[in-house]
Amino acid sequence: EDQVTQSPEALRLQEGESSSLNCSYTVSGLRGLFWYRQDPGKGPEFLFTLYSAGEEKEKERLKATLTKKESFLHITAPKPEDSATYLCAVHNAGGTSYGKLTFGQGTILTVHP
Amino acid sequence: DADVTQTPRNRITKTGKRIMLECSQTKGHDRMYWYRQDPGLGLRLIYYSFDVKDINKGEISDGYSVSRQAQAKFSLSLESAIPNQTALYFCATSDSWTHNTGELFFGEGSRLTVL
Repeated sequence: EDQVTQSPEALRLQEGESSSLNCSYTVSGLRGLFWYRQDPGKGPEFLFTLYSAGEEKEKERLKATLTKKESFLHITAPKPEDSATYLCAVHNAGGTSYGKLTFGQGTILTVHP
Repeated sequence: DADVTQTPRNRITKTGKRIMLECSQTKGHDRMYWYRQDPGLGLRLIYYSFDVKDINKGEISDGYSVSRQAQAKFSLSLESAIPNQTALYFCATSDSWTHNTGELFFGEGSRLTVL
């Protein structure tokens, strides 16, 4: 069974204080690992797809990296508008899990001015 | 207008009542999904449909049923609601390309409270 665990559950940062969110995963065959952002009262919004170990993707102050067991979402010099819940998900390459994403429980990020 | 629209956005009901949550999309996607979100548990898949004639159970389908009335419409029903079905429900869509890139397009959610 595919499993995704995110840590920490919640993270409070001061504006400009860089940090990282972790996503550990167990999947029989990884087709892709995905990061989403969710604002309060909204549906998740897609950020990145990572397909293989060593791959990196960047968007503004966010950088996602992938190893064979985990992914990190690095946030450089965050701003208050980066406050949100960040979700990680994996897509299994086949078997009974085909066609669905397995999500982690999310990390709630709060950036104080 | 939103590309993925869910109705109702909020609903309070009583145990034993039948509830239907509706989802419609204007993205032209063939794949639609219903997820449930609970604090500390993340998003869990209830049902998914890859086209009008294709319906598949997700990891937590017990107590739920779905109907794919058209390519653009996918409804979730709770035949006899119970309190532990209190949650935030999301509809999502994708096509074959965005499915492979992991890009699901979510609605804004339907908050259901069962008393």
